[in-house]
Amino acid sequence: QSALTQPPSVSGSPGQSVTISCTGTSSDVGSHNRVSWYQQPPGTAPKLMIYEVSNRPSGVPDRFSGSKSGNTASLTISGLQAEDEADYYCSSYTTSDTYVFGTGTRVTVL
Amino acid sequence: QVQLQESGPGLVKPSVTLSLTCVVSGGSISSTNWWNWVRQPPGKGLEWIGQIHQSGNIDYNPSLRSRVTMSIDKSNKQFSLKLSSVTAADTAVYYCARGTVQTPFGMDVWGQGTTVTVSS
Repeated sequence: QSALTQPPSVSGSPGQSVTISCTGTSSDVGSHNRVSWYQQPPGTAPKLMIYEVSNRPSGVPDRFSGSKSGNTASLTISGLQAEDEADYYCSSYTTSDTYVFGTGTRVTVL
Repeated sequence: QVQLQESGPGLVKPSVTLSLTCVVSGGSISSTNWWNWVRQPPGKGLEWIGQIHQSGNIDYNPSLRSRVTMSIDKSNKQFSLKLSSVTAADTAVYYCARGTVQTPFGMDVWGQGTTVTVSS
Protein backbone atom coordinates (compact mmCIF):
# COMPACT_ATOMS: atom_id res chain seq x y z
CA GLN A 1 0.00 0.00 0.00
CA SER A 2 1.25 3.46 -0.89
CA ALA A 3 1.09 6.49 1.38
CA LEU A 4 -1.75 8.90 0.74
CA THR A 5 -0.64 12.08 -1.03
CA GLN A 6 -0.68 15.40 0.84
CA PRO A 7 0.92 18.75 -0.06
CA PRO A 8 4.22 19.21 1.81
CA SER A 9 3.21 22.57 3.22
CA VAL A 10 0.45 25.15 3.46
CA SER A 11 0.49 28.52 5.14
CA GLY A 12 -1.86 31.29 6.13
CA SER A 13 -2.16 34.39 8.24
CA PRO A 14 -4.01 34.40 11.55
CA GLY A 15 -7.74 34.41 10.98
CA GLN A 16 -7.51 32.99 7.48
CA SER A 17 -8.59 29.52 6.36
CA VAL A 18 -6.33 26.80 5.00
CA THR A 19 -7.26 23.49 3.41
CA ILE A 20 -5.13 20.34 3.26
CA SER A 21 -5.90 17.70 0.66
CA CYS A 22 -5.34 13.95 1.02
CA THR A 23 -5.51 11.87 -2.15
CA GLY A 24 -5.74 8.10 -2.19
CA THR A 25 -7.43 5.41 -4.23
CA SER A 26 -10.69 3.53 -4.42
CA SER A 27 -9.14 0.97 -2.05
CA ASP A 28 -8.70 3.43 0.78
CA VAL A 29 -10.00 7.03 0.82
CA GLY A 30 -12.62 6.37 -1.83
CA SER A 31 -13.92 3.10 -0.41
CA HIS A 32 -15.76 4.23 2.73
CA ASN A 33 -15.94 7.20 5.13
CA ARG A 34 -13.00 5.88 7.14
CA VAL A 35 -10.67 8.85 6.94
CA SER A 36 -9.15 10.51 10.00
CA TRP A 37 -6.84 13.47 10.56
CA TYR A 38 -4.07 13.98 13.13
CA GLN A 39 -2.24 17.05 14.38
CA GLN A 40 1.38 16.67 15.47
CA PRO A 41 3.29 19.65 16.89
CA PRO A 42 7.07 19.14 16.84
CA GLY A 43 8.34 16.62 19.35
CA THR A 44 4.91 15.41 20.42
CA ALA A 45 2.64 12.45 19.73
CA PRO A 46 -0.12 12.77 17.12
CA LYS A 47 -3.54 13.97 18.27
CA LEU A 48 -6.80 12.85 16.65
CA MET A 49 -8.63 15.85 15.16
CA ILE A 50 -11.19 14.28 12.80
CA TYR A 51 -12.57 10.76 12.39
CA GLU A 52 -14.93 9.22 9.82
CA VAL A 53 -14.22 12.10 7.40
CA SER A 54 -15.98 14.89 9.30
CA ASN A 55 -16.54 14.01 12.96
CA ARG A 56 -14.68 15.84 15.72
CA PRO A 57 -13.71 14.14 18.98
CA SER A 58 -14.72 15.90 22.14
CA GLY A 59 -12.52 18.93 22.83
CA VAL A 60 -11.46 19.61 19.24
CA PRO A 61 -12.43 23.16 18.20
CA ASP A 62 -15.09 23.47 15.52
CA ARG A 63 -12.57 25.49 13.48
CA PHE A 64 -11.42 22.11 12.26
CA SER A 65 -13.65 20.46 9.67
CA GLY A 66 -13.31 17.59 7.25
CA SER A 67 -14.87 16.53 3.97
CA LYS A 68 -14.40 14.05 1.17
CA SER A 69 -15.07 13.83 -2.55
CA GLY A 70 -14.23 10.66 -4.40
CA ASN A 71 -10.67 9.59 -3.62
CA THR A 72 -9.69 12.91 -2.02
CA ALA A 73 -10.34 13.98 1.56
CA SER A 74 -9.76 17.47 2.92
CA LEU A 75 -9.13 19.13 6.26
CA THR A 76 -10.00 22.81 6.62
CA ILE A 77 -8.80 24.99 9.45
CA SER A 78 -10.89 28.15 9.71
CA GLY A 79 -9.84 31.18 11.71
CA LEU A 80 -6.22 30.04 11.76
CA GLN A 81 -4.44 30.53 15.08
CA ALA A 82 -0.77 30.44 16.03
CA GLU A 83 -1.36 27.27 18.07
CA ASP A 84 -2.47 25.47 14.89
CA GLU A 85 1.08 25.44 13.57
CA ALA A 86 1.99 21.76 13.32
CA ASP A 87 2.28 18.79 10.99
CA TYR A 88 -1.01 17.25 9.90
CA TYR A 89 -1.50 13.68 8.70
CA CYS A 90 -4.50 12.04 7.13
CA SER A 91 -5.15 8.33 7.54
CA SER A 92 -7.51 5.90 5.90
CA TYR A 93 -8.70 2.43 6.72
CA THR A 94 -8.40 0.26 3.62
CA THR A 95 -10.36 -2.53 2.00
CA SER A 96 -7.59 -4.88 3.19
CA ASP A 97 -8.33 -4.09 6.86
CA THR A 98 -5.16 -2.05 7.24
CA TYR A 99 -4.41 1.63 7.82
CA VAL A 100 -2.39 3.91 5.58
CA PHE A 101 -1.18 7.38 6.53
CA GLY A 102 -0.66 10.41 4.36
CA THR A 103 2.72 11.93 3.59
CA GLY A 104 2.10 14.81 6.00
CA THR A 105 1.59 18.56 5.64
CA ARG A 106 3.37 21.29 7.58
CA VAL A 107 1.00 24.14 8.44
CA THR A 108 2.72 27.46 9.01
CA VAL A 109 0.99 30.47 10.53
CA LEU A 110 2.53 33.58 9.00
CA GLN B 1 -8.79 8.52 31.32
CA VAL B 2 -6.91 5.83 29.42
CA GLN B 3 -3.16 6.32 29.14
CA LEU B 4 -0.60 4.38 27.15
CA GLN B 5 3.10 4.03 27.94
CA GLU B 6 5.64 2.43 25.61
CA SER B 7 8.86 0.86 26.76
CA GLY B 8 11.80 -0.51 24.80
CA PRO B 9 15.57 -1.00 24.65
CA GLY B 10 16.47 2.36 23.09
CA LEU B 11 19.45 1.00 21.15
CA VAL B 12 19.56 -2.32 19.28
CA LYS B 13 22.10 -3.89 16.96
CA PRO B 14 21.33 -4.73 13.34
CA SER B 15 19.82 -8.15 12.61
CA VAL B 16 18.37 -8.68 16.11
CA THR B 17 14.71 -8.80 17.08
CA LEU B 18 13.32 -5.59 18.56
CA SER B 19 10.80 -5.97 21.39
CA LEU B 20 8.50 -3.18 22.57
CA THR B 21 5.71 -3.13 25.15
CA CYS B 22 2.78 -0.77 25.68
CA VAL B 23 1.08 -0.66 29.08
CA VAL B 24 -2.58 0.40 29.30
CA SER B 25 -3.64 2.31 32.42
CA GLY B 26 -6.85 4.02 33.48
CA GLY B 27 -9.05 1.69 31.48
CA SER B 28 -9.64 -1.84 30.26
CA ILE B 29 -7.57 -3.61 27.63
CA SER B 30 -10.32 -6.19 27.26
CA SER B 31 -12.95 -4.02 25.64
CA THR B 32 -14.05 -3.33 22.10
CA ASN B 33 -10.80 -1.59 21.26
CA TRP B 34 -8.03 -2.19 18.81
CA TRP B 35 -4.45 -1.61 19.94
CA ASN B 36 -2.09 -0.21 17.34
CA TRP B 37 1.61 0.34 16.73
CA VAL B 38 2.73 3.29 14.59
CA ARG B 39 6.28 4.44 13.92
CA GLN B 40 7.95 7.61 12.67
CA PRO B 41 11.52 7.65 11.34
CA PRO B 42 13.50 10.80 12.14
CA GLY B 43 12.19 13.72 10.10
CA LYS B 44 9.68 11.55 8.25
CA GLY B 45 6.00 10.70 8.33
CA LEU B 46 3.89 8.20 10.21
CA GLU B 47 3.81 4.53 9.26
CA TRP B 48 1.19 2.11 10.58
CA ILE B 49 2.69 -1.19 11.73
CA GLY B 50 -0.31 -3.20 12.87
CA GLN B 51 -3.23 -3.62 15.25
CA ILE B 52 -4.41 -6.28 17.68
CA HIS B 53 -7.80 -6.85 19.30
CA GLN B 54 -8.30 -8.41 22.72
CA SER B 55 -9.97 -11.32 20.94
CA GLY B 56 -6.64 -12.09 19.29
CA ASN B 57 -7.50 -10.78 15.83
CA ILE B 58 -4.47 -9.11 14.24
CA ASP B 59 -3.82 -7.05 11.12
CA TYR B 60 -0.34 -6.13 9.89
CA ASN B 61 1.06 -3.66 7.40
CA PRO B 62 1.75 -5.80 4.32
CA SER B 63 5.22 -4.26 3.91
CA LEU B 64 6.23 -5.41 7.42
CA ARG B 65 4.14 -8.56 7.82
CA SER B 66 7.03 -10.97 7.34
CA ARG B 67 8.97 -9.43 10.25
CA VAL B 68 6.26 -8.36 12.71
CA THR B 69 4.58 -10.21 15.56
CA MET B 70 2.06 -8.61 17.88
CA SER B 71 0.62 -10.09 21.06
CA ILE B 72 -1.62 -9.07 23.94
CA ASP B 73 -1.34 -9.86 27.66
CA LYS B 74 -4.71 -9.06 29.19
CA SER B 75 -3.73 -10.03 32.73
CA ASN B 76 -0.96 -7.42 32.78
CA LYS B 77 -2.90 -4.92 30.63
CA GLN B 78 -0.20 -4.66 28.00
CA PHE B 79 0.41 -5.46 24.37
CA SER B 80 3.68 -6.03 22.58
CA LEU B 81 5.46 -5.71 19.26
CA LYS B 82 8.34 -7.80 17.99
CA LEU B 83 10.18 -6.76 14.83
CA SER B 84 12.79 -9.18 13.54
CA SER B 85 15.94 -8.68 11.47
CA VAL B 86 16.10 -4.96 12.15
CA THR B 87 18.19 -2.60 10.07
CA ALA B 88 18.99 1.11 10.24
CA ALA B 89 15.76 1.72 8.34
CA ASP B 90 13.85 0.60 11.44
CA THR B 91 15.26 3.51 13.46
CA ALA B 92 12.21 5.50 14.54
CA VAL B 93 9.99 6.72 17.32
CA TYR B 94 7.51 3.93 18.00
CA TYR B 95 4.05 4.86 19.26
CA CYS B 96 1.25 2.72 20.59
CA ALA B 97 -2.30 4.00 20.04
CA ARG B 98 -5.89 2.99 20.74
CA GLY B 99 -8.58 2.48 18.15
CA THR B 100 -12.01 2.69 19.72
CA VAL B 101 -15.67 2.43 18.76
CA GLN B 102 -16.16 5.92 20.19
CA THR B 103 -14.07 7.33 17.31
CA PRO B 104 -14.37 4.68 14.58
CA PHE B 105 -11.25 4.28 12.41
CA GLY B 106 -9.51 7.03 14.37
CA MET B 107 -6.84 6.46 17.04
CA ASP B 108 -7.89 8.59 19.98
CA VAL B 109 -5.25 7.87 22.62
CA TRP B 110 -1.49 7.75 21.96
CA GLY B 111 1.52 7.00 24.06
CA GLN B 112 4.35 9.52 24.23
CA GLY B 113 6.51 7.32 22.00
CA THR B 114 9.76 5.46 22.54
CA THR B 115 12.85 6.08 20.44
CA VAL B 116 14.57 3.09 18.92
CA THR B 117 17.96 3.41 17.26
CA VAL B 118 19.40 0.52 15.24
CA SER B 119 23.16 0.76 15.18
CA SER B 120 26.19 -1.43 15.70
